[in-house]
Amino acid sequence: DQQVKQNSPSLSVQEGRISILNCDYTNSMFDYFLWYKKYPAEGPTFLISISSIKDKNEDGRFTVFLNKSAKHLSLHIVPSQPGDSAVYFCAADASNTGNQFYFGTGTSLTVIP
Amino acid sequence: DAGVTQSPTHLIKTRGQQVTLRCSPKSGHDTVSWYQQALGQGPQFIFQYYEEEERQRGNFPDRFSGHQFPNYSSELNVNALLLGDSALYLCASSNLGRGNEQYFGPGTRLTVT
Repeated sequence: DQQVKQNSPSLSVQEGRISILNCDYTNSMFDYFLWYKKYPAEGPTFLISISSIKDKNEDGRFTVFLNKSAKHLSLHIVPSQPGDSAVYFCAADASNTGNQFYFGTGTSLTVIP
Repeated sequence: DAGVTQSPTHLIKTRGQQVTLRCSPKSGHDTVSWYQQALGQGPQFIFQYYEEEERQRGNFPDRFSGHQFPNYSSELNVNALLLGDSALYLCASSNLGRGNEQYFGPGTRLTVT
């Protein structure tokens, strides 16, 4: 039962343009969401998070948007850089489990120079 | 400051055997979580340890067990290995509490033949 879904396995974007990565979830108990970035042969590294009391969180080039009614979140990267090429995972945490992250299947982003 | 470390990096085992994977958390962290990442999938939560006790458990059989030591390091044990246990096993450390970022190690690649 995949409670967090990333329906785009891959995405290619030109350097300098915007990258938009999407994530959908089914569990209404999820109230904390994170994006992780993973390079080959490395563990996932934390990128940005958002609590369900917000609908937007920004950190430099990275912005996460949360639409609770649609159970959808997205990660915007502007401007995209070649070093952003990696696999991006969306993760969610529920108030009744706490710290048990549910991950999506990932989206492989390629930024073309 | 060393981040999360895991050993070994790679491991090859035969069906029916037992395996032990090890994790040292990031300095200052008291909580260790283990995840299984199958090829093409996102990390899936196995369990979490805090104060040497299993605090949370995902949907994994009892063949998967763990331990946390007084220095916060942790082991993951898998008995009666199946071919389907072949995966990347990730350890993540954090401080207990909602909203605390989990830092991941590079993982142990387990191959069961």
